[in-house]
Amino acid sequence: NAGVTQTPKFQVLKTGQSMTLQCAQDMNHEYMSWYRQDPGMGLRLIHYSVGAGITDQGEVPNGYNVSRSTTEDFPLRLLSAAPSQTSVYFCASSSGLPNQYFGAGTRLSVL
Amino acid sequence: RKEVEQDPGPFNVPEGATVAFNCTYSNSASQSFFWYRQDCRKEPKLLMSVYSSGNEDGRFTAQLNRASQYISLLIRDSKLSDSATYLCAVTNFGNEKLTFGTGTRLTIIP
Repeated sequence: NAGVTQTPKFQVLKTGQSMTLQCAQDMNHEYMSWYRQDPGMGLRLIHYSVGAGITDQGEVPNGYNVSRSTTEDFPLRLLSAAPSQTSVYFCASSSGLPNQYFGAGTRLSVL
Repeated sequence: RKEVEQDPGPFNVPEGATVAFNCTYSNSASQSFFWYRQDCRKEPKLLMSVYSSGNEDGRFTAQLNRASQYISLLIRDSKLSDSATYLCAVTNFGNEKLTFGTGTRLTIIP
């Protein structure tokens, strides 16, 4: 039972580098989202998608891009990494509330 | 003011005790309410939804107070395995986006 798979689990970047965090789900869920979690800040929504070809911004979208070309995949792109983007990133999917299934997370450090 | 607020704790509670914590929300249009559990360095997982009439799942009871705009989680006969961070989450009417609180950290002491 794969569920929601995030890769990589850990990543260290230098300021200015770009990278893509991968997220894939095998539950045929329409709704997918990306959160970042920082100490004292809780989970904050970055971008979300209600289906293939449809994306929208969440609470903290600046510095991130997303696309949803298939139901299964929802990659998150960091265009030019900054130290402020050091965080734990979670991808989640659902067929509708309440139960969002989260991936195991990606721990990103930007130096 | 944050849309969803929780006391970050930590709550250090002896095994077997009852513990309760609240979560306040600022938007009176909030429609749906949930408690998630997050273990250290793990992903959040849904613990329970919170219904207007209140709901119970074993040792866990969740309640909603719309007048005062808060939800609560009560854990009875606490176990060591209940040690975790408990996140509340709300959605607004017609919106599937979850807004999370910062979480309340609970440690059950033997």
